[in-house]
Amino acid sequence: QSVLTQPPSASGTPGQSVTISCSGSRSNIGSNTVNWYQQLPGTAPKLLIYGYSQRPSGVPARFSASKSGTSASLAINGLQSEDEAYYYCAAWDDSLNGGMFGGGTKLTVL
Amino acid sequence: QVQLVESGGGVVQPGRSLRLSCAASGFTFSSYDMNWVRQALGKGPEWVAVILNDGSVKYYAESVKGRFTISRDNSKNTLYLQMSSLRAEDTAVYYCARRVWGDYFGMDVWGQGTPVIVSS
Repeated sequence: QSVLTQPPSASGTPGQSVTISCSGSRSNIGSNTVNWYQQLPGTAPKLLIYGYSQRPSGVPARFSASKSGTSASLAINGLQSEDEAYYYCAAWDDSLNGGMFGGGTKLTVL
Repeated sequence: QVQLVESGGGVVQPGRSLRLSCAASGFTFSSYDMNWVRQALGKGPEWVAVILNDGSVKYYAESVKGRFTISRDNSKNTLYLQMSSLRAEDTAVYYCARRVWGDYFGMDVWGQGTPVIVSS
């Protein structure tokens, strides 16, 4: 069972907005920045969000993130078919002195 | 271009050892902290270990502590993962990943992964 909790699935239609949540604790999300990754089948995870909601070069502005207390969320606006993938939140845990990934959310674009 | 290439994976019997390598190119390797992350088939990623840019500090996941050792050779632009006392549950694709400079845990460059299968 993951330290960071995500819903197993989410869905939306093209053009819609969807939000994926990630719940943690004081020692991880509550203390450190949250990262979000996108993973397509057969490929390595791709960093979408780091730092204080920053996006690496090449990541569309449709992807944004927020954090409140020990919870975080990833928002995808203007959903596109190519957004269908697994999404993982991640954060450093100060108590465990280790990195943590959420269990992942499978996003389906209907 | 910025690139990480893992090698050294394969099939190994339980209890045996294996060393993974990750060759970096296209960036100043010695300036970046580096991670190993693994992913079992059908599961999410699991962080394994991190080493600071100068090799001075290392952290490990509880699941591998005492069995795995992360190291680096900045003169060779190479990251290593020495795995010993391997178990069936260590079976996974192993990725090396570069930590975003100044970020807690963001990893912006990943290799293609090398598979490790622990089986008798």
